[in-house]
Amino acid sequence: DAGITQSPRHKVTETGTPVTLRCHQTENHRYMYWYRQDPGHGLRLIHYSYGVKDTDKGEVSDGYSVSRSKTEDFLLTLESATSSQTSVYFCAISVATEGNTQYFGPGTRLTVL
Amino acid sequence: GNSVTQMEGPVTLSEEAFLTINCTYTATGYPSLFWYVQYPGEGLQLLLKATKADDKGSNKGFEATYRKETTSFHLEKGSVQVSDSAVYFCALSDQGDSNYQLIWGAGTKLIIKP
Repeated sequence: DAGITQSPRHKVTETGTPVTLRCHQTENHRYMYWYRQDPGHGLRLIHYSYGVKDTDKGEVSDGYSVSRSKTEDFLLTLESATSSQTSVYFCAISVATEGNTQYFGPGTRLTVL
Repeated sequence: GNSVTQMEGPVTLSEEAFLTINCTYTATGYPSLFWYVQYPGEGLQLLLKATKADDKGSNKGFEATYRKETTSFHLEKGSVQVSDSAVYFCALSDQGDSNYQLIWGAGTKLIIKP
């Protein structure tokens, strides 16, 4: 158990509303990642962070922003949610002492109506 | 660039059958290789990994050997159970990537029938 929690676990929202998903870790790992998982697309990287206030874009970053003001929290924000952002979102951390193996949180199921 | 190719699913087997899920990769450097498993309605769990050629990863009766000559990391289990029904993902991490990003296969759904 890598001590990763995500909140909320489920959310239904309407098109055009802002949404923030939270990823929290308890073990001070430097690297954190946000993925989305969709049928037929597998896992796709949205954004990642390599330290406090240090973030970068992944493969599918359009429409998403992130922030990391503390080591333990990595926030993913949909500024104006669209139906195409309906997905399951996973947060992950990279454990340096295990050859930078990634471990995943339980996921957030987001539905945008 | 780096990529991972997995056999398409679903793969349907009877309980106690032998399992192989094929995974091949292309990489410019010396990758680490991973298998993750996702049970229905759950997140991804690390199943096993290997970090250099000829390493064998193993866990819960599953095994995979890092074969550099065939660029493969096939997942095997000698006798599957209904509880092994899940989606299995192969992934690689290029050890030259300072951000430790994973390159993912598309996943293979495994269905085990009693």
